[in-house]
Amino acid sequence: DIQMTQSPSSLSASVGDRVTITCRASQTINHYVNWYQQRPGKAPTLLIYAASSLHTGVPSRFSASGYGTDFTLTISSLQPEDFATYYCQQTYSIPPVTFGGGTKVEIK
Amino acid sequence: QVHLVESGGGVVQPGRSLTLSCEVSGFASSSYGMHWVRQGPGKGLEWVAVIWSDGSKTYYADSVRGRFLISRDTSRNTLYLQMNRVRAEDTAVYYCARDRSDGNYGGDYWGQGTLVTVSS
Repeated sequence: DIQMTQSPSSLSASVGDRVTITCRASQTINHYVNWYQQRPGKAPTLLIYAASSLHTGVPSRFSASGYGTDFTLTISSLQPEDFATYYCQQTYSIPPVTFGGGTKVEIK
Repeated sequence: QVHLVESGGGVVQPGRSLTLSCEVSGFASSSYGMHWVRQGPGKGLEWVAVIWSDGSKTYYADSVRGRFLISRDTSRNTLYLQMNRVRAEDTAVYYCARDRSDGNYGGDYWGQGTLVTVSS
């Protein structure tokens, strides 16, 4: 199975900060990475698909990049509604689909 | 507007069965693969199963293979997850999610989830 290792597991940041989350795959997965946001008590929502494509309706302050094994999600200017947990996911080799462990973004 | 609504969760005793449903609207359900994903209390996301858009393939996580069955009724626009021989570790919120395509690309729209509690 392909393991997805996210870092950091949590971070504290202020409104307006630039935030970067990384995800490393245990083997090459080309561009088969999605990024999700999950607010407390809510279902996950898709932010980014195919490593760098912005999903419909997602604000442009979210961006992502990467190919192969190393991927990053960046929030250019953190907004109050962005405090949430973020997950990466690989779909290159299924089964199984695998998720990273999550990164919780908290208010400093 | 894409909409997914799960139902069927509740309290179930270990070893018993439960069937979850996911009713979809706003898209042609036969054109997309569908996933089940769960989240245990205070835990991260765990993929459970996928069914291909044409129903030709189904895949399962090792933790549920042989106990859970994913299926769909396109005439009812409904996805199912039959959970057999449930265990305490199956306790979770279960989400259904539409795949971006045939089943190989991950979920783009998700339901609100339904809670399953396995307890005697």
